[in-house]
Amino acid sequence: KQEVTQIPAALSVPEGENLVLNCSFTDSAIYNLQWFRQDPGKGLTSLLLIQSSQREQTSGRLNASLDKSSGRSTLYIAASQPGDSATYLCAVRPAAGNKLTFGGGTRVLVKP
Amino acid sequence: NAGVTQTPKFQVLKTGQSMTLQCAQDMNHNSMYWYRQDPGMGLRLIYYSASEGTTDKGEVPNGYNVSRLNKREFSLRLESAAPSQTSVYFCASRRLANTGELFFGEGSRLTVL
Repeated sequence: KQEVTQIPAALSVPEGENLVLNCSFTDSAIYNLQWFRQDPGKGLTSLLLIQSSQREQTSGRLNASLDKSSGRSTLYIAASQPGDSATYLCAVRPAAGNKLTFGGGTRVLVKP
Repeated sequence: NAGVTQTPKFQVLKTGQSMTLQCAQDMNHNSMYWYRQDPGMGLRLIYYSASEGTTDKGEVPNGYNVSRLNKREFSLRLESAAPSQTSVYFCASRRLANTGELFFGEGSRLTVL
């Protein structure tokens, strides 16, 4: 059974610092991995989707890497801003089947 | 762009009451999903519909039923609500069952007393 872990559960950084968020998964037989952002009381917003054949995906200040063999993905957010404060979740889709397994999320606070 | 719309946003029920959560998407997606989110448990799949006319159980289907009314709409019904069903419920959709990004609604916060 796939298990997805995000450590740390919470992170606080000063504005301007780069953010590094981790996602680990136990079964490397994945189809893709998706990063989401969730603001308090809101739904999840898709940030990046990385296919299993890709090593990284970029969108603006966001860059996500994937190392399938070691079961890791990292989300980098450059030059963090207070508006980046939110919970970030990763979700893994298996190679067989289409049910996502979600990590528990990392709650980020960017201090002005 | 509405995306995925859920109603109601908030609901309080008494134990044993029934209710239906409604979800509609306007992105012409084939697959739709219902999740629940609980502190410490993360997001768990309740039911999903890979395409119009099909539904399948997820991780935690007990106590729930679903209906894929048409391509746009996917409803979740609680027949006899229990306090353990107090949660935030999210509907999501994806263009195809086996590819593409998952898009979420804003959530429905349900409290069962």
